[in-house]
Amino acid sequence: QVQLQESGPGLVKPSETLSLTCTVSGGSISSYFWSWIRQPPGKGLEWIGYIYHSGSTMYNPSLKSRVTISVDTSKNQFSLMLSSMTAADTAVYYCARRITGTGWYYDLWGRGSLVTVSS
Amino acid sequence: DIQMTQSPSSLSASVGDRVTITCRASQSISTLLNWYQQEPGKAPKPLIYAASSLQSGVPSRFSGSGSGTDFTLTISSLQLEDFATYSCQQTYSTPYTFGQGTKLEIK
Repeated sequence: QVQLQESGPGLVKPSETLSLTCTVSGGSISSYFWSWIRQPPGKGLEWIGYIYHSGSTMYNPSLKSRVTISVDTSKNQFSLMLSSMTAADTAVYYCARRITGTGWYYDLWGRGSLVTVSS
Repeated sequence: DIQMTQSPSSLSASVGDRVTITCRASQSISTLLNWYQQEPGKAPKPLIYAASSLQSGVPSRFSGSGSGTDFTLTISSLQLEDFATYSCQQTYSTPYTFGQGTKLEIK
């Protein structure tokens, strides 16, 4: 079955750029929207943005100036870059697949990658 | 941004209880509302989509209702595996916002 797996550093220094990759296994990255969602420790979920397999993107305005989501269909991967990291960006970062359609939802999630921002 | 407010923030209940969690949107979102269940240290799992549609494989004791700004998630008879955190999410407009979560604990 289709699985998602996040990979990237667990520790990032303040002001640096976070780079995370989500690898899609057991299925194709085509024909779906792919998202990044994060959850600060003890807090609720925050939508970061999505990318379609064609490359079109949408970002949360609160993060838009710092976020880039990209896709590599040849590797069945999509990636998140978040610049100018601060302690407020410490969170578990999830990648997720969005079912298409009007009543859409996230049907598949990665296990999550804890990213801590600290010097 | 559409604000999603859940109540209560936490809830203590016993196995067999009927439980209702409420989610309120700051503006009308039609029925574009999802519910997720999250166990500690794990990723969220979808329960209900489009306000009242049950995700495949989810037990029928879970149900959702509502439209506009007010929504509910009901668990008809709590089982041990249901003690978790539940979050709502609106998919009406970006940014797709989530509620703060409701932690369901064993009494």
